[in-house]
Amino acid sequence: TQLLEQSPQFLSIQEGENLTVYCNSSSVFSSLQWYRQEPGEGPVLLVTVVTGGEVKKLKRLTFQFGDARKDSSLHITAAQPGDTGLYLCRGAQKLVFGQGTRLTINP
Amino acid sequence: DVKVTQSSRYLVKRTGEKVFLECVQDMDHENMFWYRQDPGLGLRLIYFSYDVKMKEKGDIPEGYSVSREKKERFSLILESASTNQTSMYLCASSLSVGQGVYEQYFGPGTRLTVT
Repeated sequence: TQLLEQSPQFLSIQEGENLTVYCNSSSVFSSLQWYRQEPGEGPVLLVTVVTGGEVKKLKRLTFQFGDARKDSSLHITAAQPGDTGLYLCRGAQKLVFGQGTRLTINP
Repeated sequence: DVKVTQSSRYLVKRTGEKVFLECVQDMDHENMFWYRQDPGLGLRLIYFSYDVKMKEKGDIPEGYSVSREKKERFSLILESASTNQTSMYLCASSLSVGQGVYEQYFGPGTRLTVT
């Protein structure tokens, strides 16, 4: 049983579209992180969210931490081919990663 | 520029061989980690170390051991490789920051195939 469930597992959309991916858990996390992994590389940290209800923006990426600190979402506006990759969420204190969302942005 | 390096990008070994995967970080981090990554399963923690000569089992330690003789180096050992250990292996390091809120820095991974 995955402690962190990510959905969807796969997403393929056209350049310019918007999308949202989700990270859900039945457990409360003190903080949650999002990483992106490109082919042939290790994951790289995008953001850490700590406070329930927190929203952080990183250019066209918007991250939100649920009020109860059990879930998080990542919204990408006007997706570009450079956003292609595997997006992983991680609950900090349990060293647990979700299974990831593999995102493909088609030109 | 921070760096985590892994000894090999690709490795092919035979069943029963002893396999060493090496990881080195140049950031003076206390914590080091070994994960394996399989499609649909995400990253699963094998072992981690929070100090030299210290180690803790992760979620899937069976069939693996680790060694940390120096702060910058963390080795993963497959005592007798089996085909179900074919996977991508990722090493990571991090500082120790209270309450577990820390960034992990990952190496590029070693894709191990056991035949």
